[in-house]
Amino acid sequence: EAQVTQNPRYLITVTGKKLTVTCSQNMNHEYMSWYRQDPGLGLRQIYYSMNVEVTDKGDVPEGYKVSRKEKRNFPLILESPSPNQTSLYFCASSLFAGNTEAFFGQGTRLTVV
Amino acid sequence: GIQVEQSPPDLILQEGANSTLRCNFSDSVNNLQWFHQNPWGQLINLFYIPSGTKQNGRLSATTVATERYSLLYISSSQTTDSGVYFCAVDGTASKLTFGTGTRLQVTL
Repeated sequence: EAQVTQNPRYLITVTGKKLTVTCSQNMNHEYMSWYRQDPGLGLRQIYYSMNVEVTDKGDVPEGYKVSRKEKRNFPLILESPSPNQTSLYFCASSLFAGNTEAFFGQGTRLTVV
Repeated sequence: GIQVEQSPPDLILQEGANSTLRCNFSDSVNNLQWFHQNPWGQLINLFYIPSGTKQNGRLSATTVATERYSLLYISSSQTTDSGVYFCAVDGTASKLTFGTGTRLQVTL
């Protein structure tokens, strides 16, 4: 089944403890991205990747890192999480950037205390 | 950047009723998608529809790219249709810009 898989689905952590949210797609898509969803602010892009080893900042990249060493994986790294990073996170992939359909993972609900 | 407006913001329907959700966008786009966010937070793809009309069961969508709007039709609504419906567009080839959503509640 074609899908985007994120892990974990739910995570509660403490301020400053490094964490990684994994994202994997099995559709051989070149383009992958991360979004966060917050009440009143909607979905905003954090980082995106056009292809392996090519990443760039989205609208809200502060406090996040990403890497794209393999085509299928695009992990989101929070080196020192803070409470303002409490959010619902989505990974997405599409064949290319722009005029192709985007598919989203199931979401990761992160709480930083 | 591109602006996306959805209307109405909230909608309450009785089961079996029909509805039309609207999405207006401020510039030409390469991509337009409709999503349903269910009560568990998952974003479900409904339509990839940068132009034209598509149908999938009780749902259909029409995008008139030249007039910069898209419509999502839900017929014979069911309680499982409840949730938030998002329109998202890509005008810059690097990200989807989401509208603020239409929150739909279908009651028995």
